Amino acid sequence: DQQVKQNSPSLSVQEGRISILNCDYTNSMFDYFLWYKKYPAEGPTFLISISSIKDKNEDGRFTVFLNKSAKHLSLHIVPSQPGDSAVYFCAASAGETSGSRLTFGEGTQLTVNP
Amino acid sequence: DGGITQSPKYLFRKEGQNVTLSCEQNLNHDAMYWYRQDPGQGLRLIYYSQIVNDFQKGDIAEGYSVSREKKESFPLTVTSAQKNPTAFYLCASSMATGGVAGANVLTFGAGSRLTVL
Repeated sequence: DQQVKQNSPSLSVQEGRISILNCDYTNSMFDYFLWYKKYPAEGPTFLISISSIKDKNEDGRFTVFLNKSAKHLSLHIVPSQPGDSAVYFCAASAGETSGSRLTFGEGTQLTVNP
Repeated sequence: DGGITQSPKYLFRKEGQNVTLSCEQNLNHDAMYWYRQDPGQGLRLIYYSQIVNDFQKGDIAEGYSVSREKKESFPLTVTSAQKNPTAFYLCASSMATGGVAGANVLTFGAGSRLTVL
């Protein structure tokens, strides 16, 4: 039972344009969401998070949007840069504390073409 | 620099052998985790530990074992009972200060790739 789903295995965009990565979840108990970025043969690194009390969180070129009614979140990267090419994982948890286990999506491979 | 060190980076194992993957952190994090990454399946939780001398099974614990004798160390043993052990293994850690927002943001190691011959 995949509680966090990233339906697009891959996405290709031109440098300077917007990248939009999508994530859907089914567990209504999830109230904290994170995005991680992973380069080949490296561990994922934390990118940005959002709590369910918000519908948007922005950090530089990265913005995460949360639509609770649709159980959908998205990560916007603008402008996209070639260095953004990586696998992006969406993750969710019920709570923000250490005991709140993260459930990860399958990942989306983003390729930004120069 | 604070971080998580996983070793070895690459490991080959013959069928029927147990292997142990090392994970050490100097972040003073209380909680540590082991994940497995397979193509198209994202990251799946194997075991986690929130405190020394205590650990819990994750979603795919069968065929694996762990120990947490020291705060800094959380080794994972892949036993011969694991049917499909070839994968990329990731160790992670997080704060465990209970109730602190963002305490479950994970810091990952660089990973260990295990191949069964």
